[in-house]
Amino acid sequence: EPEVTQTPSHQVTQMGQEVILRCVPISNHLYFYWYRQILGQKVEFLVSFYNNEISEKSEIFDDQFSVERPDGSNFTLKIRSTKLEDSAMYFCASSAGTGGSGELFFGEGSRLTVL
Amino acid sequence: AQSVAQPEDQVNVAEGNPLTVKCTYSVSGNPYLFWYVQYPNRGLQFLLKYITGDNLVKGSYGFEAEFNKSQTSFHLKKPSALVSDSALYFCAVRDRGNFNKFYFGSGTKLNVKP
Repeated sequence: EPEVTQTPSHQVTQMGQEVILRCVPISNHLYFYWYRQILGQKVEFLVSFYNNEISEKSEIFDDQFSVERPDGSNFTLKIRSTKLEDSAMYFCASSAGTGGSGELFFGEGSRLTVL
Repeated sequence: AQSVAQPEDQVNVAEGNPLTVKCTYSVSGNPYLFWYVQYPNRGLQFLLKYITGDNLVKGSYGFEAEFNKSQTSFHLKKPSALVSDSALYFCAVRDRGNFNKFYFGSGTKLNVKP
């Protein structure tokens, strides 16, 4: 069964360092998302990506964050200068272009720890 | 604006008893509605969705959900709970007019006791 894959599963970084989280969405999907979850609590929307551009972003997704789909298969989230409060589980998700009725498929997440 | 609410942080039920996890939504149209489950240290897994048609939707692992338009609710149910159902459950809503936004509720922790 097709699945969304994320790397790394866990990354530890120092405050102020750049981090890139990688995702490989399901191959025929058209909509891509990043969410984060702090301490197993609420799943917070960060950004959605469609047709090679950001389609929506939340207030969390400030200038420190960026996304790219560099090669038609990978979908990356970059945090330019990490802060302590960026420590969270980051989930990538994708969905098919089925008129919005398609569910999101999630990866297993990348745990980011900022020291 | 779309939003979704899960009024209970935690639901406790004995194994074999029916369970209900509540979800209500506020809409500017008729949304698509979803339920997801998350086990510890795992990603979110899709359970079921309401798109249109029959208000009772059946999904994975014996779960079902009832769409109630007048009460703007989409409660998750199961006739007989299992200990293995213990997990975090999220309701989600997607705007029919804007597929780019997919909102999650705050989550409900389900504890099923033997």
